[in-house]
Amino acid sequence: DAKTTQPPSMDCAEGRAANLPCNHSTISGNEYVYWYRQIHSQGPQYIIHGLKNNETNEMASLIITEDRKSSTLILPHATLRDTAVYYCIVRVGNSGNTPLVFGKGTRLSVIA
Amino acid sequence: EADIYQTPRYLVIGTGKKITLECSQTMGHDKMYWYQQDPGMELHLIHYSYGVNSTEKGDLSSESTVSRIRTEHFPLTLESARPSHTSQYLCASSPSGFEQFFGPGTRLTVL
Repeated sequence: DAKTTQPPSMDCAEGRAANLPCNHSTISGNEYVYWYRQIHSQGPQYIIHGLKNNETNEMASLIITEDRKSSTLILPHATLRDTAVYYCIVRVGNSGNTPLVFGKGTRLSVIA
Repeated sequence: EADIYQTPRYLVIGTGKKITLECSQTMGHDKMYWYQQDPGMELHLIHYSYGVNSTEKGDLSSESTVSRIRTEHFPLTLESARPSHTSQYLCASSPSGFEQFFGPGTRLTVL
């Protein structure tokens, strides 16, 4: 699976949009981009995934560049409860046949 | 919402004891996983299973073993606990899809 690069930490003011970048320059055509987050020491929680089109759900939006070498997770109106470590993961397919491999992620701090 | 359970949630045990960490899910998911995470550090995959009687080792070498005799149950066993095994252990399951559902974790302390 392609390696991802994320900034180690970011701050965001409460109520503002949080934009979390991820670089995956070696991604191949059949690899999906997944985002998970981990609040404190709880188990990670799925946020969103995509292949090449932008995706939106009730939690976030995922913007993937046209060359697919990078993506951005957007939390439109960050709250204090969004403080967490956010993981960008690239994995072949969406079948679950390859376990998720977590990197260091980005520690997002939402500030009041 | 996924139903995946781990017991115990917290365990403090002495060196040399045999322990089994339980993980159960009620969704009928074929795929199950064990991750290990030290405080403030990355999650590391230690074991996974694609179905009954299927088990594989993950990326992180682990002295633990697993079994998958029933779809809903994926226990992890340490034959002889050591202080280096002190960590949080997270279990997850997945249907044939894109999402892994995680349990609440077991915090293990070996004295």
